Amino acid sequence: QKEVEQDPGPLSVPEGAIVSLNCTYSNSAFQYFMWYRQYSRKGPELLMYTYSSGNKEDGRFTAQVDKSSKYISLFIRDSQPSDSATYLCAMSAAGGKLIFGQGTELSVKP
Amino acid sequence: KAGVTQTPRYLIKTRGQQVTLSCSPISGHRSVSWYQQTPGQGLQFLFEYFSETQRNKGNFPGRFSGRQFSNSRSEMNVSTLELGDSALYLCASQQGGDSGGKLFFGSGTQLSVL
Repeated sequence: QKEVEQDPGPLSVPEGAIVSLNCTYSNSAFQYFMWYRQYSRKGPELLMYTYSSGNKEDGRFTAQVDKSSKYISLFIRDSQPSDSATYLCAMSAAGGKLIFGQGTELSVKP
Repeated sequence: KAGVTQTPRYLIKTRGQQVTLSCSPISGHRSVSWYQQTPGQGLQFLFEYFSETQRNKGNFPGRFSGRQFSNSRSEMNVSTLELGDSALYLCASQQGGDSGGKLFFGSGTQLSVL
């Protein structure tokens, strides 16, 4: 079993839809949680960063961490075609290496 | 501020050859990590260097090695290339210490092994 599980999709939604992306994990030592976005032929870019549990909002993006359930989510409101990319969850323990999920490929159709 | 720079962007090699990839981190960043990305396995951690010392290592064979120089620039070497080494190799930098995983990635080197 992988330390971090993420549904690879692909996920296709119409423009304006709310998108929900999720990851589960098994290591209770994880305390740093991130979402990265990766466009084709580019490296991943940091989108959202959360320490420990709770919610964080940045514009149309909301990240949630539920440590009791070992579950993290990323919500995208009013999705745009420019949001079409692969979204990777990532997490680490203090001083540890960053472990990535498989990535979910998202396509937002105009 | 310039981002993470990786060279070359594309590389084609044949089985048995060796290859060296280069990474220049963001100015002021002292930690450099390397990842291998393939469609089947996703992003897999190779190793991390901090102040010229390997700080963490993933589960890759000894054919994969790296080093970091005093100016924080890093190189990764793969010897005796195999077909399965075809992948996107990504370098990422962070300021150092326990930066809590805030990695900044380059665009990667796409390696094809024929």
